[in-house]
Amino acid sequence: SQELEQSPQSLIVQEGKNLTINCTSSKTLYGLYWYKQKYGEGLIFLMMLQKGGEEKSHEKITAKLDEKKQQSSLHITASQPSHAGIYLCGAVLAFSGYSTLTFGKGTMLLVSP
Amino acid sequence: ETGVTQTPRHLVMGMTNKKSLKCEQHLGHNAMYWYKQSAKKPLELMFVYSLEERVENNSVPSRFSPECPNSSHLFLHLHTLQPEDSALYLCASSQEAGLRSYNEQFFGPGTRLTVL
Repeated sequence: SQELEQSPQSLIVQEGKNLTINCTSSKTLYGLYWYKQKYGEGLIFLMMLQKGGEEKSHEKITAKLDEKKQQSSLHITASQPSHAGIYLCGAVLAFSGYSTLTFGKGTMLLVSP
Repeated sequence: ETGVTQTPRHLVMGMTNKKSLKCEQHLGHNAMYWYKQSAKKPLELMFVYSLEERVENNSVPSRFSPECPNSSHLFLHLHTLQPEDSALYLCASSQEAGLRSYNEQFFGPGTRLTVL
């Protein structure tokens, strides 16, 4: 099974609606990063969460980290077509060796007018 | 140029060809990474370079050969690839390689590789 599960795999919402994407880890989280990717392009950094209970917001996007549940959520309020893309969570799962991120498979978001 | 750049953006090659992907970072970072992104799979780390020295090689087949001539440039040399190697190859850089810690990585736009 995968170390980092994202749900849902894909999502279609009507413009103006709210939505939530979840990222659940099977291991202890030492840090959680959210990225956005447009199809076939590089990753754009959104937010980083490190402490349990931490919550960060940028414009209409809010991310929370529930360390005990080993889970993070990304909430978009009043979605717009510009929010469409693939949202990836990446987690720091261990501190042995050269730590890099373990990624989820991503959630594809489409926003319909 | 700013950030992390990758060339070419798109590449189509036959299984007997030899080609190279190039990555350049303009951020003054000391660590660089190659990732592979295949359809319906998580992003996979391939190689990590710290101060031009390869410090991580995640069981990548020898048909992929990385090269880091200096801290600003990273190459991925490709030879005798298979169709299943078709993917988006992403380069990233960070201030340090993050031994027992994590340093935020900045990603390039990627090279879309198709192997026929």
